[in-house]
Amino acid sequence: GAVVSQHPSRVICKSGTSVKIECRSLDFQATTMFWYRQFPKQSLMLMATSNEGSKATYEQGVEKDKFLINHASLTLSTLTVTSAHPEDSSFYICSARVYGFSYGYTFGSGTRLTVV
Amino acid sequence: AQSVTQPDIHITVSEGASLELRCNYSYGATPYLFWYVQSPGQGLQLLLKYFSGDTLVQGIKGFEAEFKRSQSSFNLRKPSVHWSDAAEYFCAVGAENFGNEKLTFGTGTRLTIIP
Repeated sequence: GAVVSQHPSRVICKSGTSVKIECRSLDFQATTMFWYRQFPKQSLMLMATSNEGSKATYEQGVEKDKFLINHASLTLSTLTVTSAHPEDSSFYICSARVYGFSYGYTFGSGTRLTVV
Repeated sequence: AQSVTQPDIHITVSEGASLELRCNYSYGATPYLFWYVQSPGQGLQLLLKYFSGDTLVQGIKGFEAEFKRSQSSFNLRKPSVHWSDAAEYFCAVGAENFGNEKLTFGTGTRLTIIP
């Protein structure tokens, strides 16, 4: 239980274009979703926290206008990288908070974004 | 603010040998502690978690971890590693209250298994 499906797993886009990454909770309602960025051989850095129906809370240093987060339903959160540049190339992972007996956090499988 | 330290960036262990990955945390209240494993290009898989109760926690794949409040540690152990255990391991601490739900990760420990 408590599975998060993340798509796409890999995406290559041209510099200046936008890319949307989706995370869906398959068997539970994800009130809170987290978006992380991970550089090669490094840890996960939290970018933002989104709650269903409200604006996302961004971590310090994360550009809100570049990384647009939408959490319009209890089962879907999206991250859109706008006007992508090569420095945005990274591994992006979403995570959902799981309540109840299975309390904890479940993670998507990640998206490898390459901007060329 | 909460923080997690994983002192070992890279550990190499022979297959069949025992393993201990270190994790120290800093948090003012009762921490929620997690160990995750990540294979290359993949998301994170939960190995085990500690919230309260028995300080020795059993997880999946034969892993266990012991919470030691006096040492602010939550070290991960496995009595006999398998080649498939080669991966990146992350320790994480979460907050107790619902007003601060962030997970803070350590920098990770890369585990290499040699025959």
